[in-house]
Amino acid sequence: SQTIHQWPATLVQPVGSPLSLECTVEGTSNPNLYWYRQAAGRGLQLLFYSVGIGQISSEVPQNLSASRPQDRQFILSSKKLLLSDSGFYLCAWSVPRNTEAFFGQGTRLTVV
Amino acid sequence: SQQGEEDPQALSIQEGENATMNCSYKTSINNLQWYRQNSGRGLVHLILIRSNEREKHSGRLRVTLDTSKKSSSLLITASRAADTASYFCATDPNSGYALNFGKGTSLLVTP
Repeated sequence: SQTIHQWPATLVQPVGSPLSLECTVEGTSNPNLYWYRQAAGRGLQLLFYSVGIGQISSEVPQNLSASRPQDRQFILSSKKLLLSDSGFYLCAWSVPRNTEAFFGQGTRLTVV
Repeated sequence: SQQGEEDPQALSIQEGENATMNCSYKTSINNLQWYRQNSGRGLVHLILIRSNEREKHSGRLRVTLDTSKKSSSLLITASRAADTASYFCATDPNSGYALNFGKGTSLLVTP
């Protein structure tokens, strides 16, 4: 069966510090991978998606970047965090496009 | 980008009552999906309805889709306290690779 792991669950980081959130998927090959951000009381905003290794599409210009160094690994990074980067970050995968997305448990990021 | 808009934003009902949530969207879709999110957790897929379907059932869930009005509804019958969560609609567009989510409906079911 397929599983998705996302860590850490919570993170408190000072402004200007770097960020690295990791997401891995097990039990499937060549998944589409996604990073979403959810601000308090709001819906999900798509940040990045990837259809293959090294292929990253950005939906929103921002202080963040994403990488896919391996088929089932998706990393969200920042060189210098801003207060506005605080939020709930969700990783998800799907195969193929017309089916449901499977989400990780999320990372609560607070930038102080 | 967010395409779906759920209505109402918040809904409070008692156990045993039915809960109805609506979703409107803007562009052509392949399918529309509903997800549930418990507080502070990831989203869980509930049901998918394709653009050529008008109604679908899954247990106590009933979803309708009206592509002419670009709208969908989710009905939860005989609600339980455990149904308390946020519910999101998500559209799978004809173009693009990712689901577009609405802002969600927060459902509170009181015993």
